[in-house]
Amino acid sequence: DAGVTQSPTHLIKTRGQHVTLRCSPISGHKSVSWYQQVLGQGPQFIFQYYEKEERGRGNFPDRFSARQFPNYSSELNVNALLLGDSALYLCASSLGGVYSPLHFGNGTRLTVT
Amino acid sequence: DAKTTQPPSMDCAEGRAANLPCNHSTISGNEYVYWYRQIHSQGPQYIIHGLKNNETNEMASLIITEDRKSSTLILPHATLRDTAVYYCIVRVAGQGNAGNMLTFGGGTRLMVKP
Repeated sequence: DAGVTQSPTHLIKTRGQHVTLRCSPISGHKSVSWYQQVLGQGPQFIFQYYEKEERGRGNFPDRFSARQFPNYSSELNVNALLLGDSALYLCASSLGGVYSPLHFGNGTRLTVT
Repeated sequence: DAKTTQPPSMDCAEGRAANLPCNHSTISGNEYVYWYRQIHSQGPQYIIHGLKNNETNEMASLIITEDRKSSTLILPHATLRDTAVYYCIVRVAGQGNAGNMLTFGGGTRLMVKP
């Protein structure tokens, strides 16, 4: 079975631009979460979606938004990019139960110049 | 969420058991302990989780103390491919399907040496 797939794998953007990152969950998984990992630190929670509804949000500004589609894939959007948004963006999927393990993709490396 | 404390780094000889400790003294009765690892340039990989009983799967064993204030992840025969950052996480008991927020700390950087 295919794991969590994310696209693109690498991306370079300029300050002030907008970016869209995409994620396809494992087949059968209805929950998708997004994490940001700055170099040298552990991943930090951004959003969780389940059945197309936002179920959790981390401490990130409104420039960050996301959505989940009927096929359970997801997009993370970041507006007005800042240099500090440079990071590895990770998507994780799970069956959706409270204690279901999360399965992560290998992320999108975003560099803002 | 309960806070976890892990040593920043550990070394282990190839073929020997790697024992990675984690302290979670403020854990609540309904919170599970999860372990993930992150190999360089990859996303975190789920290893194992448990509530109060010891658990074992094909990757590792998880030993949780009786008072649940600490746990140890055991890789029985470490290989060079086990070199990674290992994260011990206490999972928040969300309501419904809102329990996917994992709080990652700094983890333990395990170096397996030949």
